[in-house]
Amino acid sequence: KAGVTQTPRYLIKTRGQQVTLSCSPISGHRSVSWYQQTPGQGLQFLFEYFSETQRNKGNFPGRFSGRQFSNSRSEMNVSTLELGDSALYLCASSDGSKRNEQFFGPGTRLTVL
Amino acid sequence: EDQVTQSPEALRLQEGESSSLNCSYTVSGLRGLFWYRQDPGKGPEFLFTLYSAGEEKEKERLKATLTKKESFLHITAPKPEDSATYLCAVQGGGGGSNYKLTFGKGTLLTVNP
Repeated sequence: KAGVTQTPRYLIKTRGQQVTLSCSPISGHRSVSWYQQTPGQGLQFLFEYFSETQRNKGNFPGRFSGRQFSNSRSEMNVSTLELGDSALYLCASSDGSKRNEQFFGPGTRLTVL
Repeated sequence: EDQVTQSPEALRLQEGESSSLNCSYTVSGLRGLFWYRQDPGKGPEFLFTLYSAGEEKEKERLKATLTKKESFLHITAPKPEDSATYLCAVQGGGGGSNYKLTFGKGTLLTVNP
């Protein structure tokens, strides 16, 4: 069974630009969660989607947004990039049940210059 | 707000020297406690889920236990390939609609040959 895939793996952007990251979950999984990982803050929850609906949202500014498509693939967008947005962005998929076992992809390393 | 504290921040062991990692948590209505392993430059790898106090799970040299306030990850006779960062996360109640995981900062384990 193929794992979670994320594209691109690496990105370099400049302040003020916007970026879109993509995540394809494990086949059959309908829930996708996004996390930001930095050395100082660790892993922080951004949002979670299930069947194209956002069920949960973390404490991030509105510049961070996401969506999920009917095939469960998900994208997250960050507008007006700031230096502090440099991080590893991780996507996790689960079957959406109460067991909530989440399986992570390799992440997208975003560097903002 | 859910909180997770992991200790120690870093642990260095000799091959074969058993030890334990600690995860203390504060959560409103624990629905699950999760352990992950993360290697440098990779996404977290799922290890265990524990759902109720007294529960234990084992996988090779790893054993996870859960009480009402903390979880332990016991490592028996570790090998150098067990070197990684071990992450603990909790899922709180949130009225039954919470699918967010709150992570600790992790324990960096180094096993020397």
